[in-house]
Amino acid sequence: EPEVTQTPSHQVTQMGQEVILRCVPISNHLYFYWYRQILGQKVEFLVSFYNNEISEKSEIFDDQFSVERPDGSNFTLKIRSTKLEDSAMYFCASTIQTGGNEKLFFGSGTQLSVL
Amino acid sequence: SQKIEQNSEALNIQEGKTATLTCNYTNYSPAYLQWYRQDPGRGPVFLLLIRENEKEKRKERLKVTFDTTLKQSLFHITASQPADSATYLCALGDNRLAFGKGNQVVVIP
Repeated sequence: EPEVTQTPSHQVTQMGQEVILRCVPISNHLYFYWYRQILGQKVEFLVSFYNNEISEKSEIFDDQFSVERPDGSNFTLKIRSTKLEDSAMYFCASTIQTGGNEKLFFGSGTQLSVL
Repeated sequence: SQKIEQNSEALNIQEGKTATLTCNYTNYSPAYLQWYRQDPGRGPVFLLLIRENEKEKRKERLKVTFDTTLKQSLFHITASQPADSATYLCALGDNRLAFGKGNQVVVIP
């Protein structure tokens, strides 16, 4: 079965540094997402992306965050100046169509640790 | 505010028995509801989707019900096996799929 691929699997960074988390969604999917999960908490929506622009974002997704699809395959999440509270598992997901009636395919995640 | 609530206590169940999990939601009117499985350190994996006009959906040993009046979905694992041990997430929404915190299931051999 096709997979969503995320790199790196672990990222350790110093507070205030920029990080870029990378994802390769499934090739024929059109909708892309970033979610995060703080240890012991629920999976939280950050942002959705379609047709090369953000379609929806949560209150968590502030000016420190940005997303990009730099080419036809990669989808990135950038955190400009990391904070301690950004430490979490970040999941990329993709799907063919939106509307709640299509399953999301998730990657294995990037564990981000901000020191 | 919108909420998706799942039991925070882990469900310990003997192998071969049926595990039943509950998902309650408020301030949503979902046309669809989904269930995912999450193993430690891994991303959620889709299991089942049920539509508002479907009362019940089955897939192998899994069964989901959806009661839009009660605003509740039940998730059943029949003939449970140790490999079913995981956290099960309820999810709903339109463009923005929102997840409950999940309910851990531990199947004891």
